Amino acid sequence: GAGVSQSPSNKVTEKGKDVELRCDPISGHTALYWYRQSLGQGLEFLIYFQGNSAPDKSGLPSDRFSAERTGGSVSTLTIQRTQQEDSAVYLCASSLLASGAARTGELFFGEGSRLTVL
Amino acid sequence: KQEVTQIPAALSVPEGENLVLNCSFTDSAIYNLQWFRQDPGKGLTSLLLIQSSQREQTSGRLNASLDKSSGRSTLYIAASQPGDSATYLCAGNSGNTPLVFGKGTRLSVIA
Repeated sequence: GAGVSQSPSNKVTEKGKDVELRCDPISGHTALYWYRQSLGQGLEFLIYFQGNSAPDKSGLPSDRFSAERTGGSVSTLTIQRTQQEDSAVYLCASSLLASGAARTGELFFGEGSRLTVL
Repeated sequence: KQEVTQIPAALSVPEGENLVLNCSFTDSAIYNLQWFRQDPGKGLTSLLLIQSSQREQTSGRLNASLDKSSGRSTLYIAASQPGDSATYLCAGNSGNTPLVFGKGTRLSVIA
C-alpha cells in the first residue's frame, strides 16, 4: 500500500483478555518497528524487525508482550492477559534498510492502534 | 544510551512569526536525526531526515540543522501558519539502535 496500515484503529478490551494488533508496512520496507505512546509520555520503543535478522526485543516491557513478522511483511503485536497500564496508542513504523553507518532509513509511521483496557 | 530532550514543551506564537524548536541529544555519535509532526489523535508524519554526513535539510518553510559536536538539532519554521499547530517530535539513533524520541514540543500558532 501507499503507507503503513494498522488495525484495528481502536480496541477496547477487558482486563485479562488477549489482544492482537496488526501492522502492514510499506511495500519493500525491510525494517519494521513497534512503539508505544502513553498519555503525556514520549514514544517508547518496543521491538524492531530487520530483514531476516533476529528481532531486537529489548524494549518489550514484559513477557506478556510478543510480536511476529511473517514473510518479512505483516507484523502482529500480541499482548496477553492485558492490564490497565497497557492502555496506550501502539504505533508501527517501517523503513528501508540504509547502507553504511546509518543502519536504517527514514521512518514512516502508521496512524496507530488505540488500546483501552477496562 | 541515547537520550533526547526537547525544549520548550509548549510554545504559542502569533501567525506569521518565524520560530525555532530545539532538540538536544546525549550521544554525539548520532547517525540519523529525524523530525516528525503529530496531530492530535494521529500518527507521526515525517518532516525532515538529517543523516550522519549532513548538517541540514530543507523542505518548504522548514529547515532542520544538526550540530553533532554540541549535541543539538533545531527545526526552523518560517512564516508560521495556524495549520502548523501540532506537536513536533525529534528522534535520533546511534549505533545499531532504533530511534529514540523526545517528548515533543506542542506548537500553537494563533491567527
